[in-house]
Amino acid sequence: SQQGEEDPQALSIQEGENATMNCSYKTSINNLQWYRQNSGRGLVHLILIRSNEREKHSGRLRVTLDTSKKSSSLLITASRAADTASYFCATEFQGAQKLVFGQGTRLTINP
Amino acid sequence: GAGVSQTPSNKVTEKGKYVELRCDPISGHTALYWYRQSLGQGPEFLIYFQGTGAADDSGLPNDRFFAVRPEGSVSTLKIQRTERGDSAVYLCASSTGLGDTGELFFGEGSRLTVL
Repeated sequence: SQQGEEDPQALSIQEGENATMNCSYKTSINNLQWYRQNSGRGLVHLILIRSNEREKHSGRLRVTLDTSKKSSSLLITASRAADTASYFCATEFQGAQKLVFGQGTRLTINP
Repeated sequence: GAGVSQTPSNKVTEKGKYVELRCDPISGHTALYWYRQSLGQGPEFLIYFQGTGAADDSGLPNDRFFAVRPEGSVSTLKIQRTERGDSAVYLCASSTGLGDTGELFFGEGSRLTVL
């Protein structure tokens, strides 16, 4: 079963605006990762944040991790139409060497 | 190859038939994962290989599902007596297998339709 929950399930914004997606999980983790999936395609890794990190940046992406609240957020700044995709968080729980994915957030950027 | 390759990209079969899905990981990657994704859902873990051995098969839904990786490279997911509920996209991913679960590199998936 999927143990991560993402919020919102769907998000529609105008090009140029910022998009924020949230992920919550239930048990202690080693790391948390964000992936992107274009319709009908495979998943592409975006960023990995470890349990002892609080924030990471990669280009227009900013990820935060709050282990006390068991939550993470992905911020995409200055969104573009090409950012339209589904975004998934995935967690590696302590003691497990596999990723458990959330349900995903479907992001639509309107030109 | 340059990326993870999965074949076939599409498979249509009839209920009760046997199906094999193949995954060719990135050369040198020792870890290989199978996931299943239904429409509108996130990937659901099936099985993880480290080298030739299945390190975690806790996600296989029942004994109709089986996966092998005999030489530590190519893997085959085998589904016996397919049911309509098995219809989904089956995703394969590989990683270096060093340390904790790092970045997974996914293939484009095999879409299975059971009529």
